Amino acid sequence: QVQLQESGPGLVKPSETLSLICTVSDGSVSSGSYDWSWIRQPPGRGLEWIGHIYYSGSTSYNPSLKSRLTISVDTSKNQFSLKLSSVTAADTAVYYCARVNHSAYKAFDVWGQGTVVTVSS
Amino acid sequence: DIQMTQSPSSLSASVGDRVTITCRASQSISTYLNWYQQKPGKAPKLLMYAASTLQSGVPSRFSGSGSGTDFTLTISSLQHEDSATYYCQQSYSTPYTFGQGTKLEIK
Repeated sequence: QVQLQESGPGLVKPSETLSLICTVSDGSVSSGSYDWSWIRQPPGRGLEWIGHIYYSGSTSYNPSLKSRLTISVDTSKNQFSLKLSSVTAADTAVYYCARVNHSAYKAFDVWGQGTVVTVSS
Repeated sequence: DIQMTQSPSSLSASVGDRVTITCRASQSISTYLNWYQQKPGKAPKLLMYAASTLQSGVPSRFSGSGSGTDFTLTISSLQHEDSATYYCQQSYSTPYTFGQGTKLEIK
């Protein structure tokens, strides 16, 4: 069963860049049947889709974050990554990576456990 | 963006009760509607996709219905382990959006 695992700094200073990696195990990020997505959840709040990437490198971003956002994929390492620049306290959240299953109406069918990112000086 | 609105925001029910959560989209999304269950400190778990297709391994007491703009998630006989927050999500068009969540407590 495919597994996803987020990694990266838990604390980022305001105005700096938040960088996270999602490692895919027991599955391939190069599979044409899936997109690979980032989703976040601020403390005590709901879920926000950040964006996703296809193995070819094609991306789709949330317009609310697009100007600060880069999602990339490294097929050789079976990983995809998130970079969010110029962060503020509003970017404090649990960040999840998830698989978008084309055969399941593009539902998020596999999730990482999530990683807490705090923006603070 | 397509807005997703869930009701109620919270509810309390007893073991064995039948529970229904509704989700409304701000425009038609056909059946591109998915349901997730999230327990405290855990990642969301996919329950249902395409409005009414049960994800593998999910108990059959969960069911979904609807199309267009109005959808429901029903738990036919509530169990203790169903205490969680439930989210609907549209995958009709990007940006994908979620409802605000329904917190379900067991009395």
